[in-house]
Formats: sequence, structure tokens, C-alpha cells
Amino acid sequence: AQSVAQPEDQVNVAEGNPLTVKCTYSVSGNPYLFWYVQYPNRGLQFLLKYITGDNLVKGSYGFEAEFNKSQTSFHLKKPSALVSDSALYFCAQGGSARQLTFGSGTQLTVLP
Amino acid sequence: KAGVTQTPRYLIKTRGQQVTLSCSPISGHRSVSWYQQTPGQGLQFLFEYFSETQRNKGNFPGRFSGRQFSNSRSEMNVSTLELGDSALYLCASSLERRGAHYNSPLHFGNGTRLTVT
Repeated sequence: AQSVAQPEDQVNVAEGNPLTVKCTYSVSGNPYLFWYVQYPNRGLQFLLKYITGDNLVKGSYGFEAEFNKSQTSFHLKKPSALVSDSALYFCAQGGSARQLTFGSGTQLTVLP
Repeated sequence: KAGVTQTPRYLIKTRGQQVTLSCSPISGHRSVSWYQQTPGQGLQFLFEYFSETQRNKGNFPGRFSGRQFSNSRSEMNVSTLELGDSALYLCASSLERRGAHYNSPLHFGNGTRLTVT
């Protein structure tokens, strides 16, 4: 069975600093990987996906993610954090079962 | 394009009752999925429909059911509600391409928050 791990429940970063939200995926599944963001009382919003190709994936709002097959990781990054980036971030893995397996989520707080 | 629309946004029900939640996908999207989100269990897959057929089901009891109509709109039903069914129920639609595995991004609605008392 697939499993996705987000080892940090909470990440704090100062505005203007780079941010990283960590994610590791299970080797048993194919590496169709996604990042979503959730704001309070809202649904999940798609940020980016990795299917195949370049290991560095660029997405919405200046976010990018780095796929690392040897470490089975798919970390979300942004060069310069904004206060408005504060939200709950989910990593997810897709596959042929037509369902996404989500990580437990990481609460990102960007401090002004 | 209008996004995924879920109604109602909030529901309060009593144990033992049943509830029906509605989801209208993005125009042209034929795949509709449902997820349950709780603080303790996180995001869990309920089921997925495509062209009125349930293609996949998560590990939930039979009290949870769903259906999809010919216009791709979907409903889910929970019967004999339990306190533990209190959650945010999220519907998502996706544009499925021929031969694609599940690599199409999901587009989520804002959810229905169900409270069971």
C-alpha cells in the first residue's frame, strides 16, 4: 500500500526567507506526486505535480518541488516566503487505483 | 470556468439520521471523487465515480454510499449517522485523459462540514 509521510507537523519561517516543506513517498507506488494547499474553511488547492521528466517542478504562486528518486522525496520549496503563504500543505501520491494517498499535512506559518 | 460546487456548506445532524451531500464538478470533468477530512485521520478516500460508475471505493462502511448522474453531478449519502462521522467532506473533480493513470490533478470544492450531535 502507498504511504506518504510529512515528517513535520509545523514549519515556521520568517517572511522573505526560503521555505521547505518535506515529503517522502512510498517506493511501492508510481511516483505521481502532488502538492496541495488548504486555507481555513476551504478545500484543497492544487499547487504542482510531478509525473515524469525534470526533477525540479515549478508550480503556482512561486512554489516549486524537487523530486529525488534515490531519497524517495518530493520537497516543496519557495525562494522567498510571504505571510500569505501561511496555510496547511499536503503532499499526495497518485496511482492506477484512481485515488490519492495524502500525507498528514504540514502547517506552514510565515512570520512577518 | 466555475469551480467545484458543494452544497450545503454546513450541516448539523443527530445520531441515527441520514444525510445527502451534493457536488457539481467543473464543466467537462467526468471523474468525481469524495474524501473525508478529520483532525485525527486526515484525508481519507471514500470513492470515485466516472460516467455514473463507481470505479474505486475506500475502506469505509456500507453506510457511506454515493452515486453520479449523467451530467456528472454526484451525491454521497451517509445513513445511520455516528458521532465519528463528523468531518469535512470534500468533493473533487478531474479531467481524465485517455489511457492516463491517476496523474490528473484533482480540483476540490470547499467542502461540506458535517457535525453529528
